Amino acid sequence: QGQLVESGGGVVQPGRSLRLSCAASGFTFSAYGMHWVRQAPGKGLEWVAVIWFDGTTKYYADSVKGRFTISRDNSKNTIYLEVNSLTVDDTAVYFCARGRGEYVGGHYYYYMDVWGKGTTVSVSS
Amino acid sequence: DIQMTQSPSSVSASVGDRVTITCRASQSISSWLAWYQQKPGKAPKLLIFPASSLQSGVPSRFSGSGSGTDFTLTISNLQPEDFATYFCQQANSPLTFGGGTKVEI
Repeated sequence: QGQLVESGGGVVQPGRSLRLSCAASGFTFSAYGMHWVRQAPGKGLEWVAVIWFDGTTKYYADSVKGRFTISRDNSKNTIYLEVNSLTVDDTAVYFCARGRGEYVGGHYYYYMDVWGKGTTVSVSS
Repeated sequence: DIQMTQSPSSVSASVGDRVTITCRASQSISSWLAWYQQKPGKAPKLLIFPASSLQSGVPSRFSGSGSGTDFTLTISNLQPEDFATYFCQQANSPLTFGGGTKVEI
């Protein structure tokens, strides 16, 4: 089924940066797109970014575009999220998730079938 | 972006009850909708994708229906382990989630 383990979260001051990691095991990592999703305290889920299986295509939520960068290293079965210029609104648990999808009529439809337990980012002065 | 509106935000129920959760999209998404279950402090778990297809290993008391803009998740014969928060997610990029429905005792 697969397992995902996030790391790299912590308490940081506004304007600072962090690098989150997500290590995958138990499945052929290089065959899957991967997502980051975050959840602010007491709030719902917010999709952050996706990277395709080969790293060639990446998409971001408008709320993080230009500040966050998703990447992957298929030799290490790991994805990363570089988070820069952090604000208090970025405080959240950050989950990585394995991407699945359906390609129909020239359009791709995404969902996530394996999730990690998350890593917590707290932005505070 | 497509907005997803879930209702109710919370529902009180008892073991053995039938619970229905609604998710409405701001525009048609055909059947491209997923449902997730999340327990406190845990990662979300995929239940259904697309709108009415139960994932492997998910109990048959869970069912999904709908297409276009209106969708429902129904839990029949509610079990103790079903008390959790449920989210819908539309599958067009950028992905968006509903606000969640907490099923509590």
